[in-house]
Amino acid sequence: EIVLTQSPATLSLSPGERATLSCRASQSVSSYLAWYKQKPGQAPRLLIYDASNRATGVPARFSGSGSGTDFTLTISSLEPEDFAVYYCQQRSNWPLTFGGGTKVEIK
Amino acid sequence: EVQLVESGGGLVHPGGSLRLSCAASGFTFSTHTMYWVRQAPGRGLEYVSAIGTNEGSTYYANSVKGRFTISRDNSKNTLSLEMGSLRPEDTAVYYCARGDCSSSTCYAHFDYWGQGTLVTVSS
Repeated sequence: EIVLTQSPATLSLSPGERATLSCRASQSVSSYLAWYKQKPGQAPRLLIYDASNRATGVPARFSGSGSGTDFTLTISSLEPEDFAVYYCQQRSNWPLTFGGGTKVEIK
Repeated sequence: EVQLVESGGGLVHPGGSLRLSCAASGFTFSTHTMYWVRQAPGRGLEYVSAIGTNEGSTYYANSVKGRFTISRDNSKNTLSLEMGSLRPEDTAVYYCARGDCSSSTCYAHFDYWGQGTLVTVSS
């Protein structure tokens, strides 16, 4: 099973700041990595798929990069609605696995 | 508009059974791989099971293999999860999720999710 490790666990930032979230895989997942955003009491929402492709309707301030074992989700300038938990997920190998999440909170 | 609506959650005793359903609308259900993903209270996301566009291809997490059965009825646009031998660690919100498919190719990430149904396993 591929283990995804997200860091940091919590990121404390102010609106307008840049957020950089990391996801590291225990073995290569090529570019088969997705990112999701989840707000309390809501279902997750797909943001990025295949490492760098924005899903339909996702604002341009969200971008993804990386391949192999190291991936980054960047939010260029935080909006109030961006404070949430973010998860990465790999589809390279079964079983599909998720990272433990990074909480982006208001500083 | 794509909609996924789960139902069937509730309180069940350890060792008991429960059947979850997911009603799909707003898209051609038969052309998408479908998934169940769960989230224990205060915890992260965990893949549970997947089913291909016909019922021939099913996949399970090791934690539920042999206890859960996924199925679909393409004529009724419905996804189901039959859960047996339930354990307290199965307590979670269970989400139905759609696999991202285009041009007859499906990818194992999830472009639409339902709002989830809570399953509580407790005596």
